[in-house]
Amino acid sequence: QAVLTQPASLSASPGASASLTCTLRSGISVGTCRIYWYQQKPGSPPQYLLNYKSDSDKQQGSGVPSRFSGSKDASANAGILLISGLQSEDDADYYCMIWHSSAWVFGGGTKLTVL
Amino acid sequence: EVQLVESGGGLVQPGGSLRLSCAASGFTFSSHEMTWVRQAPGKGLEWVSYISSSGSTIYYTDSVKGRFTISRDNAKNSLYLQMNSLRAEDTAVYYCARVPDWGQGTLVTVSS
Repeated sequence: QAVLTQPASLSASPGASASLTCTLRSGISVGTCRIYWYQQKPGSPPQYLLNYKSDSDKQQGSGVPSRFSGSKDASANAGILLISGLQSEDDADYYCMIWHSSAWVFGGGTKLTVL
Repeated sequence: EVQLVESGGGLVQPGGSLRLSCAASGFTFSSHEMTWVRQAPGKGLEWVSYISSSGSTIYYTDSVKGRFTISRDNAKNSLYLQMNSLRAEDTAVYYCARVPDWGQGTLVTVSS
């Protein structure tokens, strides 16, 4: 079982909200993790969006709009990237990342289609 | 502003070697841990290696252990990745990172 699991794809309409999940493997508590989120568009390197550990311990990337926000769902043992007011430019791949067992670990990525 | 500029990528035959470099600026390089991450064509992100600020602690992903060596020169604000015994599956864009910031990447192609 992968350390981080992301749905392969997600579709949403312009103006709507999208909730991208990053589920941690059983035995790894989301509560103890700082989860980083990146956006990647074709032909470009990943762009840092934000990281989230708790409501009092989170950082937004420089220049990243506030409509991108992070949270956790402890019951699902998952990190969440919420994108509100979806725009066509949000059409991209999104990756989550944590530091676990002396390694940076990535989720497989979610392809968000805004249509 | 943090800047990370990778170089050294290119086409190499299987079994060959390459040395990637990453020039860092905009922050106190000697105070920060550094990382290499790669992305194979059309695939997701894969962590490759980590080095502590002093260079005393190093980690590798299993698939590169014994073949790749990460190092740094704090006097030159530079990070390196020596890649030996390269395989086709090492073909990827290699990114230098001072989490959460990344460089633009350099492409390594292993092919005969």
